[in-house]
Amino acid sequence: DAMVIQNPRYQVTQFGKPVTLSCSQTLNHNVMYWYQQKSSQAPKLLFHYYDKDFNNEADTPDNFQSRRPNTSFCFLDIRSPGLGDAAMYLCATSPRGGEQFFGPGTRLTVL
Amino acid sequence: GEDVEQSLFLSVREGDSSVINCTYTDSSSTYLYWYKQEPGAGLQLLTYIFSNMDMKQDQRLTVLLNKKDKHLSLRIADTQTGDSAIYFCAGKAAGNKLTFGGGTRVLVKP
Repeated sequence: DAMVIQNPRYQVTQFGKPVTLSCSQTLNHNVMYWYQQKSSQAPKLLFHYYDKDFNNEADTPDNFQSRRPNTSFCFLDIRSPGLGDAAMYLCATSPRGGEQFFGPGTRLTVL
Repeated sequence: GEDVEQSLFLSVREGDSSVINCTYTDSSSTYLYWYKQEPGAGLQLLTYIFSNMDMKQDQRLTVLLNKKDKHLSLRIADTQTGDSAIYFCAGKAAGNKLTFGGGTRVLVKP
């Protein structure tokens, strides 16, 4: 089945220790998105790729970076995680102008 | 930017209908979506409505859109315990970006 896959589902890191979250898709969609969702809140868009074009939201901290080496994969790098970065991180994909399909999320814990 | 608001909580008995309400501010939203999120999971697209439609029905789900009042609702008929989840409405603005409401937690009681 075509889908959006996120690995790992649960990630524990230490304060200040870099961490990378992974997203892959078999839908062959042009656009990939990363959202941060804190407890009992709506998802907040961090950035998105339209093909290889990177689009950063104005209020996304510099601590968050992303890479998209090919159509199928997109990575979220958190350079120096703080306690406030503990959240669910959701990856989504869409065709151009189409609806977004979400992965299951990675729950990040920062100790 | 767009603001999307939802009530926080809804409790309903199994078998009854649920109605979840949403208001939005950006009249240029072309599509409006309803997503379902179960505990610890991602968002599942339930249904959507194009902004020039008033109503869309999909099995147990009915979406009503009042463009004049910028009000969107999702009705779930014959609500089941598996419908317990958080429901997010979202509007699509320029650049295919979604603006989400804060989510409505629906609790279905047996």
